[in-house]
Amino acid sequence: ELKVEQNPLFLSMQEGKNYTIYCNYSTTSDRLYWYRQDPGKSLESLFVLLSNGAVKQEGRLMASLDTKARLSTLHITAAVHDLSATYFCAVDGTGTASKLTFGTGTRLQVTL
Amino acid sequence: SAVISQKPSRDICQRGTSLTIQCQVDSQVTMMFWYRQQPGQSLTLIATANQGSEATYESGFVIDKFPISRPNLTFSTLTVSNMSPEDSSIYLCSVGDWPGNTIYFGEGSWLTVV
Repeated sequence: ELKVEQNPLFLSMQEGKNYTIYCNYSTTSDRLYWYRQDPGKSLESLFVLLSNGAVKQEGRLMASLDTKARLSTLHITAAVHDLSATYFCAVDGTGTASKLTFGTGTRLQVTL
Repeated sequence: SAVISQKPSRDICQRGTSLTIQCQVDSQVTMMFWYRQQPGQSLTLIATANQGSEATYESGFVIDKFPISRPNLTFSTLTVSNMSPEDSSIYLCSVGDWPGNTIYFGEGSWLTVV
């Protein structure tokens, strides 16, 4: 059974600081997704990582995937308040862009 | 890209009743999925909605509680039957664009059972 773990569960950080969210998963997969969820909203797709060593960046967020270590990271650079949200990683264990197993989520709070 | 519409967006339901959630996609998709997100929790897959056959349920979810229909390649429904307060959740419809790589989510249906 595929298990996906994220840490930390909650992260409070000051504006301007850097931090990394970690996503570990238990079985072989080379498809990993990152989503953002704002309170009262659905999921917003951030990144799709499709191979070992994949790195994608959008603004202050950068995601990477190491399939051998079964680890993905979401790095936040110089955080701003607008990044406050819950971030989920999710693994596609089927390899066919279909059903996902989600991590526990990381609630990020960026303070002034 | 796929645009997914869900109805209702929110509802308050009485204990013991059933509610059907609709998911409409603006293009034909092979795979549709239903997820549940309980308050403050992550998302859990309920089932895969198969066109022309019974849905495939994940462990812990049964057809009697969550009957699903998939009459064509753009539409699916999820019914939450005999609701209890524990069913208060967000229910999300999702589609994959295989052989593409993106997985899309609807806006969700927020159900509160009282």
